Amino acid sequence: EAQVTQNPRYLITVTGKKLTVTCSQNMNHEYMSWYRQDPGLGLRQIYYSMNVEVTDKGDVPEGYKVSRKEKRNFPLILESPSPNQTSLYFCASSLNSGNTIYFGEGSWLTVV
Amino acid sequence: ILNVEQSPQSLHVQEGDSTNFTCSFPSSNFYALHWYRWETAKSPEALFVMTLNGDEKKKGRISATLNTKEGYSYLYIKGSQPEDSATYLCASGAGYSTLTFGKGTMLLVSP
Repeated sequence: EAQVTQNPRYLITVTGKKLTVTCSQNMNHEYMSWYRQDPGLGLRQIYYSMNVEVTDKGDVPEGYKVSRKEKRNFPLILESPSPNQTSLYFCASSLNSGNTIYFGEGSWLTVV
Repeated sequence: ILNVEQSPQSLHVQEGDSTNFTCSFPSSNFYALHWYRWETAKSPEALFVMTLNGDEKKKGRISATLNTKEGYSYLYIKGSQPEDSATYLCASGAGYSTLTFGKGTMLLVSP
């Protein structure tokens, strides 16, 4: 079954404690991206990757890092989380931005 | 940052009504227009991806049109059902690399 899997699905953490949200896809897609969803703001792109070892900033990259060492994985790293990073995060993959995007189930992150 | 606007912000219709929403996007450097359906507690699900001016796509009671010259797309739902209640997102990509989402239209269909 084609899917995008992200973990953890739910996390409450404290300010400053580094965390990683993993994302994995089994469709051999080249294009992967991370979004955050906040009330009234819609889905905003954090980072995207067009292929292995190729990553680039989206609209709201501050406070986040990513890596793309393998085609299937695209982890999102919060080196020093802050309360304004409390949000719902979606990982997504597609062949490219002109093709259907497949979303993961979302990760609810709360930073206290 | 690309400006993608959706209207209305929310919509409440009765079962059996037909409805439509609008997505506006910059027409310059257009690459693709996506529509997604997003139910609460689930992940967004793809409805359509359109790339050519004049494109029309249909899936059951839902259809979409695209005008890249004037920068808008319409999503139509014929004979709305309660299970159509969801937020409908559009997204436009200006070029190959990035996709910008609108804030969505929240549809509620009452029985």
